[in-house]
Amino acid sequence: EVQLLESGGGLVQPGGSLRLSCAASGFTFSSYAMSWVRQAPGKGLEWVSAISGSGGSTYYADSVKGRFTISRDNSKNTLYLQMNSLRAEDTAVYYCAKLGAPRWELPRGYYFDYWGQGTLVTVSS
Amino acid sequence: DIVMTQSPDSLAVSLGERATINCKSSQSVLYSSNNKNYLAWYQQKPGQPPKLLIYWASTRESGVPDRFSGSGSGTDFTLTISSLQAEDVAVYYCQQYYSTLPTTFGPGTKVDIK
Repeated sequence: EVQLLESGGGLVQPGGSLRLSCAASGFTFSSYAMSWVRQAPGKGLEWVSAISGSGGSTYYADSVKGRFTISRDNSKNTLYLQMNSLRAEDTAVYYCAKLGAPRWELPRGYYFDYWGQGTLVTVSS
Repeated sequence: DIVMTQSPDSLAVSLGERATINCKSSQSVLYSSNNKNYLAWYQQKPGQPPKLLIYWASTRESGVPDRFSGSGSGTDFTLTISSLQAEDVAVYYCQQYYSTLPTTFGPGTKVDIK
């Protein structure tokens, strides 16, 4: 059974940093591209960042480029999101999501077949 | 980026009746090389993560009840719940993955019981 478990969320002041983790199990983690998707309170879904299975390719939404860094440790089956220079508008539940196929065929992609439960990040003074 | 819109914003349907949600993309998500529409539908219940219902516009995910169906091609898509059940109360999102970086979602449609 595929499981994705996020952690690391919390309350942080504007300009601060936070690192999210997503522990994966139930599939060959290193074979699959992964993404982070966020959802501001009461709002819709926004893709944030993605990483290839090997970790060699990373991609970011314009809204977080230069501030967030996605990475993975395939030996630990864990995905990360390092968030720096946080802003109030980064307040959201952050989900990790597994791609429905091992890799994109860029520029074409795939849907997300599994999502974690999410971790809440609140940026406020 | 491809912009996704959904209509209506919300709808209330009687138990056992049909619910229809529309999704429109700002450009075609039909890939001519494989004749596939790069469009997915998700269901999100309060306090839960999104759940994949439909991909390739009309392929039902394993375990999803057959009252859920997807249709459409190019820029116009529909999610139909043929006979609404109480457990179907949720927000439904469409997603395009044709131009996948970034992939984009519709704003969501809230479905309630009338």
